[in-house]
Amino acid sequence: QKEVEQDPGPLSVPEGAIVSLNCTYSNSAFQYFMWYRQYSRKGPELLMYTYSSGNKEDGRFTAQVDKSSKYISLFIRDSQPSDSATYLCAMKLEDKVIFGPGTSLSVIP
Amino acid sequence: DAGITQSPRYKITETGRQVTLMCHQTWSHSYMFWYRQDLGHGLRLIYYSAAADITDKGEVSDGYVVSRSKTENFPLTLESATRSQTSVYFCASIRTGAATEAFFGQGTRLTVV
Repeated sequence: QKEVEQDPGPLSVPEGAIVSLNCTYSNSAFQYFMWYRQYSRKGPELLMYTYSSGNKEDGRFTAQVDKSSKYISLFIRDSQPSDSATYLCAMKLEDKVIFGPGTSLSVIP
Repeated sequence: DAGITQSPRYKITETGRQVTLMCHQTWSHSYMFWYRQDLGHGLRLIYYSAAADITDKGEVSDGYVVSRSKTENFPLTLESATRSQTSVYFCASIRTGAATEAFFGQGTRLTVV
């Protein structure tokens, strides 16, 4: 079993839709939970991070962590064409950062 | 310019050749990482380094070698390139062990023919 699993998609939604992106993980020792966004032919960039169970909101983005279920989610409200990218969940354990495979999202105008 | 830069951006090499991918960061971040990104696998950790002269293997380290004689440089060497090493390689850095944000280079697209 991979340490971090993520539905690869691709996911295609109309502009304005609510998007839900999810990851599961197997190692309960992970300390930090992050979401990165990667545009085509670019390096990933940090979108949000959290270290505790619960919700964290930043504008149209909400990160949710459920440590008991080993499950994290990213919600995007009022999705925009500029949100079209690959979204990678990532988890940090001591010195290492482990990424999920990424979900490709297309927001159609 | 401050940041993390990778070179070359594109490289084509032949099977069996040795090739080195360069990574340089200007922040003096302690931690540096090498990942490869392939369709369906996402970013997989090859090697990481907590400081100069300290390196550790990641998930897919076979066939790769790293060194870190200086904090700012973290070259990745493919000792004898194979077609399965065709990929996009990303270098990243984190300021300290407690930091969460990894800063990525633009990537090196390597093709082994």
